[in-house]
Amino acid sequence: GAVVSQHPSWVICKSGTSVKIECRSLDFQATTMFWYRQFPKQSLMLMATSNEGSKATYEQGVEKDKFLINHASLTLSTLTVTSAHPEDSSFYICSATWDLTSDTQYFGPGTRLTVL
Amino acid sequence: GQNIDQPTEMTATEGAIVQINCTYQTSGFNGLFWYQQHAGEAPTFLSYNVLDGLEEKGRFSSFLSRSKGYSYLLLKELQMKDSASYLCAVPSGGSYIPTFGRGTSLIVHP
Repeated sequence: GAVVSQHPSWVICKSGTSVKIECRSLDFQATTMFWYRQFPKQSLMLMATSNEGSKATYEQGVEKDKFLINHASLTLSTLTVTSAHPEDSSFYICSATWDLTSDTQYFGPGTRLTVL
Repeated sequence: GQNIDQPTEMTATEGAIVQINCTYQTSGFNGLFWYQQHAGEAPTFLSYNVLDGLEEKGRFSSFLSRSKGYSYLLLKELQMKDSASYLCAVPSGGSYIPTFGRGTSLIVHP
């Protein structure tokens, strides 16, 4: 149980285009989903926390207008990187939980974004 | 904010035992997590400690000392597949959302 999927697993796009990444909890209802970014040999950096039906809470330094997060249902959250630039190239990982106070978060397999 | 410190890289021999240390500073402690992350993959949960002491789970054990702000992950009977990055993560400031350390890259060689 507690499986989280991400789509796509990798994407290559041109600078200036937008890319949407989906995160789905397959066998549980995720009241909270998290989006992380990880640069090579670096730690996971939390970008934002999203709760179903409400606006995402962004970490300091993360541009909310550039990284659009939608958590419209208990099983789906999307991250859209708008007007992507080469410096946005990174490994984007989502995680989901039904209750972080009593359970861990479950990570998706990640999406490798390369912006040319 | 908080500081999480762990060694950048460690090497060990197949079949041996290795201990990966993590020190942290935080207010409002809500437990400490260890995750394993293979290259290019998402982290997988290994352990969660909220009380002092050692918790054993198969070949992996995790220890916590809250008064010292210290934890370690102990891996026994190392296998080649244990080569991965091991991430220490601690929720900050009373929240339950963990902040991750940089991770320790463990290389297991024959």
